[in-house]
Amino acid sequence: DAKTTQPTSMDCAEGRAANLPCNHSTISGNEYVYWYRQIHSQGPQYIIHGLKNNETNEMASLIITEDRKSSTLILPHATLRDTAVYYCIVRHDGGFKTIFGAGTRLFVKA
Amino acid sequence: DADVTQTPRNRITKTGKRIMLECSQTKGHDRMYWYRQDPGLGLQLIYYSFDVKDINKGEISDGYSVSRQAQAKFSLSLESAIPNQTALYFCATSEPGTGISDTQYFGPGTRLTVL
Repeated sequence: DAKTTQPTSMDCAEGRAANLPCNHSTISGNEYVYWYRQIHSQGPQYIIHGLKNNETNEMASLIITEDRKSSTLILPHATLRDTAVYYCIVRHDGGFKTIFGAGTRLFVKA
Repeated sequence: DADVTQTPRNRITKTGKRIMLECSQTKGHDRMYWYRQDPGLGLQLIYYSFDVKDINKGEISDGYSVSRQAQAKFSLSLESAIPNQTALYFCATSEPGTGISDTQYFGPGTRLTVL
């Protein structure tokens, strides 16, 4: 599975959009981009995933660049409860292991 | 009610003791996993099971064993606990999607301390 690079931490004002970047320059054609988050010491929570097209669900939007070497997770209206560590991972078709790196610690401030 | 539950949520034990962590799920998924997380670090896969008769080792299985008692239950045992097994343990489940990699759903975790 391809390696990902994320900023260590980010701040966001409550009510504003939080844009979390992820680089995955070695991604291959059959690898999906997944995002999870982990609120302090709780179980990781699935957010969204995608292959080529941009995706949106009730939690977030995922924007994947045309060359698929990077992506951005967007939380459209961040709340204090969105403060967490966000993990971007790539996983090949049929892959099942969830191997997290260090992730991005997002602080949402009032 | 939570889809994936873990018991106990917290446990303190002594070196050399045998301990079992239990995981139950109501999602109806075939695949179940055990991960550990050390402070400030990511997840490491201990064991996984794709169905009731299937058990597979992950990256760090030494010192651990598992039992898949039913589709909904997957237990992790530490045969003789040691202090460096102090960690947060997560159970997860998944159901393979058609042509895509699994989306995994995690339990709330068990915080284990070995003295």
